Amino acid sequence: GAVVSQHPSWVICKSGTSVKIECRSLDFQATTMFWYRQFPKQSLMLMATSNEGSKATYEQGVEKDKFLINHASLTLSTLTVTSAHPEDSSFYICSARDLVTSKSNYGYTFGSGTRLTVV
Amino acid sequence: RKEVEQDPGPFNVPEGATVAFNCTYSNSASQSFFWYRQDCRKEPKLLMSVYSSGNEDGRFTAQLNRASQYISLLIRDSKLSDSATYLCVVRGGGGGNKLTFGTGTQLKVEL
Repeated sequence: GAVVSQHPSWVICKSGTSVKIECRSLDFQATTMFWYRQFPKQSLMLMATSNEGSKATYEQGVEKDKFLINHASLTLSTLTVTSAHPEDSSFYICSARDLVTSKSNYGYTFGSGTRLTVV
Repeated sequence: RKEVEQDPGPFNVPEGATVAFNCTYSNSASQSFFWYRQDCRKEPKLLMSVYSSGNEDGRFTAQLNRASQYISLLIRDSKLSDSATYLCVVRGGGGGNKLTFGTGTQLKVEL
């Protein structure tokens, strides 16, 4: 089945630094990837939709200059949290659409998530 | 009003019990419906899709009522391994292909 690899699994960084999270589709091409954020005891909230070769579409309230998304190829999307602050500490999860093999779920496959802690 | 609402729980049930979770969604134009399972500190994983005709997968039964905008999940003969958070998820309805997640219902199955 479709596999999405997300790295790193966890990261601890100092306040003010930037962190890059990678999301790769391993055995399929993903024209669209989604980035979510989940705070403790809350639901996954969509941050942005990443489209290969074009600008990402951000959800209301998400700062595009703070959360930089790059989807330069059909198998890789990156999320960079710039100038991270403690309130950015969260669980970040990507999802990619495999339109060919995952029909029962309309093609959504999730990465294993990245736990970011900003100190 | 939240787009997808669930009772957060936790539901503490003994092993072997039958437990039901409910979910309501606000957008009547929503197109697809799912139940996901999320273990602590892990990514969500698809449990099953939900259809108006109802569907069953082993001990799990899901049902959709479009008129009431209501989704349910029934777990029979619950196992310790069923302990997790169950997320009600909706796709479409003006949001295109985006998935909208409920806050999840936590289930704890105990001996």
